Amino acid sequence: ELKVEQNPLFLSMQEGKNYTIYCNYSTTSDRLYWYRQDPGKSLESLFVLLSNGAVKQEGRLMASLDTKARLSTLHITAAVHDLSATYFCAVGPKKGSQGNLIFGKGTKLSVKP
Amino acid sequence: KAGVTQTPRYLIKTRGQQVTLSCSPISGHRSVSWYQQTPGQGLQFLFEYFSETQRNKGNFPGRFSGRQFSNSRSEMNVSTLELGDSALYLCASSFLVFNTGELFFGEGSRLTVL
Repeated sequence: ELKVEQNPLFLSMQEGKNYTIYCNYSTTSDRLYWYRQDPGKSLESLFVLLSNGAVKQEGRLMASLDTKARLSTLHITAAVHDLSATYFCAVGPKKGSQGNLIFGKGTKLSVKP
Repeated sequence: KAGVTQTPRYLIKTRGQQVTLSCSPISGHRSVSWYQQTPGQGLQFLFEYFSETQRNKGNFPGRFSGRQFSNSRSEMNVSTLELGDSALYLCASSFLVFNTGELFFGEGSRLTVL
């Protein structure tokens, strides 16, 4: 059974600092996603990672995937208050259907001035 | 283009009642998935439909059911509601493109069971 673990679950940062969120998964997968969720809102797609060594960057966020280690990271550079949200990683089971994703518990990020 | 549309956005039911939630996918998307989000269990996969056929089902009791219509719109139904069914129900659609598998989520239907 595929399990996805994120850490930390809560992260309080100061503006301007850097930090990394980790996403470990337990079995082989060929796709990993990062989503952002603001309170009371839906999930916004941030990154789709499909191959070992994939790295994608958007603004202050950079995601990477190491399929051998079954690890993805979401790195935050010079955090700003607007990045405060909950971040989820999600993994597609190898033999699962496209819409079947296993989500981590989420990392609630709070960026303080 | 329009995103994934879910209705109703909020609803309150009492135990024992049933509820039907609706989802209209992004135009051209033929795959629709449903997820339940609760503070305790997080985001859990309910089921996925493609071309009116259920492709996959999560670990939920038979009270949870769904269907997809020929225009790709989908509904999910929960019968004999329990307090624990209170949750945000999210619908996601995808185009089944070979190389991405990206899901686009709607705003959700927030169900409160009293």
